[in-house]
Amino acid sequence: AQSVAQPEDQVNVAEGNPLTVKCTYSVSGNPYLFWYVQYPNRGLQFLLKYITGDNLVKGSYGFEAEFNKSQTSFHLKNPSALVSDSALYFCAVRDDTNAGKSTFGDGTTLTVKP
Amino acid sequence: EAGVTQFPSHSVIEKGQTVTLRCDPISGHDNLYWYRRVMGKEIKFLLHFVKESKQDESGMPNNRFLAERTGGTYSTLKVQPAELEDSGVYFCASSVTGRNSPLHFGNGTRLTVT
Repeated sequence: AQSVAQPEDQVNVAEGNPLTVKCTYSVSGNPYLFWYVQYPNRGLQFLLKYITGDNLVKGSYGFEAEFNKSQTSFHLKNPSALVSDSALYFCAVRDDTNAGKSTFGDGTTLTVKP
Repeated sequence: EAGVTQFPSHSVIEKGQTVTLRCDPISGHDNLYWYRRVMGKEIKFLLHFVKESKQDESGMPNNRFLAERTGGTYSTLKVQPAELEDSGVYFCASSVTGRNSPLHFGNGTRLTVT
């Protein structure tokens, strides 16, 4: 079985500061990891995905994610937060044994204050 | 390209009534998924179509839920009869084939059962 944990319901940062949104996962086979962002009254939008062999993955809007196999983590980062980054962020995982279904975390609400 | 579209955006029905949600995936996407988010909690998998076939319907909560995908194009999700606990946001997503392929989400249908 596959699972995802996002331990923080909320992350608050000041504009211009770095941010981290945490995600840990559990899979049976090789992990296929994704981050999505949801703005109010919209669907989820793809941000970035893990690419095998790249421990630091760059995505849209200045976001990047750090993959750590030993800690089974895929934390989302941004070196300089913008107020417009305020949204709900979801981590998701697929594995080799369950290629169709993605499992999502509970989501983390990011608030960036001016 | 046109994105994933869902209709209606909102639906308010009484317990015992029937509701049908529709999803039009991105053209050429063989994979279509239904997910549900209840009470702001995790996004739960309902089922997965590959073209017109149900690949995985392990997340369907009970036989009050019926999903179809006509000719491998649009999909419908019918709830009959609706219960209070069916309230939530129903998301449809589509993707090309591949474990590393991100999901493309619609804006969701907010279902309220009173």
